[in-house]
Order: sequence, then structure tokens, then C-alpha cells
Amino acid sequence: GIQVEQSPPDLILQEGANSTLRCNFSDSVNNLQWFHQNPWGQLINLFYIPSGTKQNGRLSATTVATERYSLLYISSSQTTDSGVYFCAVSSGGYQKVTFGTGTKLQVIP
Amino acid sequence: DTEVTQTPKHLVMGMTNKKSLKCEQHMGHRAMYWYKQKAKKPPELMFVYSYEKLSINESVPSRFSPECPNSSLLNLHLHALQPEDSALYLCASSQLALEATATDTQYFGPGTRLTVL
Repeated sequence: GIQVEQSPPDLILQEGANSTLRCNFSDSVNNLQWFHQNPWGQLINLFYIPSGTKQNGRLSATTVATERYSLLYISSSQTTDSGVYFCAVSSGGYQKVTFGTGTKLQVIP
Repeated sequence: DTEVTQTPKHLVMGMTNKKSLKCEQHMGHRAMYWYKQKAKKPPELMFVYSYEKLSINESVPSRFSPECPNSSLLNLHLHALQPEDSALYLCASSQLALEATATDTQYFGPGTRLTVL
């Protein structure tokens, strides 16, 4: 099956700093999503971005499908950004979703 | 309303018990999913229902039995579980994209934390 690797695995930021999270995948995909999982386990969809660039407030994402990677940018980080960030892809059928390995982000005051 | 609800929030069961997890959505989505997530690991897909029919079963042991009574409800019946089945069980739904230009954003419920003794 498709392999999805994220980097870095762990990240500690000072509040106000910027960061870039990366998601690499081993095969072509027809669906890519970025999620934030809070400390209580709730997964929130951030972006649906199989290709191109999107922005939502302090967050933006870019997917370069031909090179098999996606980037999530977080600017002016806040303590509420802490948690685990996952990318999730579908290859072949839209519903067969594979999650990446995750990046655990801690934002300290 | 973009909410997916799951009950119960927590469940403790013995290896001989039978229990069920429930999931509900009212967004008109036609795809519903069960995931299992162990501590410090990513969610792993277990089952997918498309138009109330089981479309994906990721080789899950038969002690897990999914059921989709209607387009809004999804159940996961548990029987004779093992301690290693203890995990967070997540339900999700999506619109069911059938075309390359459609979006298929997944919306997740808060999960059920299951402990098997």
C-alpha cells in the first residue's frame, strides 16, 4: 500500500514563531487532507488539498502532486495550535484513506 | 451542522462481553468510516460504508462487526475482544466523491476510548 511519511516527528516552538510541516507520499493520490488532533483526540479537518495552494487565516497548505509531497505552514503560532498534525491520502478509491505518521507540535508561551 | 456524534465516550469491557459503539451524522453524507487509533499512532482505517453497503474491510478480525442501519447511523459491534484491542475508535463521514473534481472532506466524531480488561 501507499506509504505516507511526515516530518519532523516532533516540533517545539515559541509562541509567535512560524513552522513548516511536510508530508511525503509514495504513490500518486487523488485526495489529500490535513488534520489537527487536539489533546482530547478530536480530529479537525484543516484543508482538503489534492493539489495547489490554499490559505485559511494563519494556516496555509501547498500540495505538489507531481513530486508527491504536501506542506502545511503555520504562522504566528499560538499555544492552541499544540497537538498532532496528520496528513491523510487516498490512492485509487477516494474512501481508502491512509494517515501519515504525524507531527507532534508543542507551542510554549 | 458539521457534527458527527459518537457514544459512549468511554467504555470498559471484559473479554467475554458484547458491546456496541454508535455513530451518527445528519449532514446527508453517504460514506461512513470506522478507524482504530492506538496511543501515539495514526488512525488506521477499519471499515467503510458507501450508500449503506460495506465497501471496504481492511482485514479486520471478525470480533469486530460493523452495521449501517441507515444513511445516518453506523454501529460497531464488539464481541470477545482482546486487551490489545484497547484503543480510541473514531467514526467519520464524508460526502462520497465520485468525480475527480468533487471534494470528499472527512468529518470526525470525538471517538470512543475503549479499554478491554
